[in-house]
Amino acid sequence: QQQVKQSPQSLIVQKGGISIINCAYENTAFDYFPWYQQFPGKGPALLIAIRPDVSEKKEGRFTISFNKSAKQFSLHIMDSQPGDSATYFCAASYSTGTASKLTFGTGTRLQVTL
Amino acid sequence: KAGVTQTPRYLIKTRGQQVTLSCSPISGHRSVSWYQQTPGQGLQFLFEYFSETQRNKGNFPGRFSGRQFSNSRSEMNVSTLELGDSALYLCASSGVRANTEAFFGQGTRLTVV
Repeated sequence: QQQVKQSPQSLIVQKGGISIINCAYENTAFDYFPWYQQFPGKGPALLIAIRPDVSEKKEGRFTISFNKSAKQFSLHIMDSQPGDSATYFCAASYSTGTASKLTFGTGTRLQVTL
Repeated sequence: KAGVTQTPRYLIKTRGQQVTLSCSPISGHRSVSWYQQTPGQGLQFLFEYFSETQRNKGNFPGRFSGRQFSNSRSEMNVSTLELGDSALYLCASSGVRANTEAFFGQGTRLTVV
């Protein structure tokens, strides 16, 4: 049972454009939503994260938008650069009790072209 | 501050063998989680250890096991290896809970032949 659905599977964006990746979750107990960036041969690196008490969080060129009622959140990469070409994973978890694990989306392979 | 260190980086094993992977978390972090990454299944949670106790477990067979030492270092063991166990095994460390600010190592690439 896939609890976090991520789309699109792949994305090609021109340099300077906006990359948008979407995720939807099912479990309303989720209360922590991070995004990870992974380059080939490397482990995932934490990019930015949000909790459901805010609707948007921005760090540099990266913004998370969160819609609690729709159970959706998205990553926006402004002014996309070739160096942003990587695979991006959304994830979700809940922080109460001992159920401490990240549930990941299936990943989006982003290619930023010149 | 050193990051999460996983050893070895690459392993080739034969079906039926067993393997042990090691993870040293970020200094001061007490939670260590293990994930399996494959092209078909993506990132799947294996288990999490905190203060030498397994705190959570994913849906993997009993051939997959782990442990954590008093210095927070963790090992993962897979017995009776199958071809389908070929994957990138990732370790993540965090301060208290595995789901907040988890930092991943570079992983161990296991190939079963």
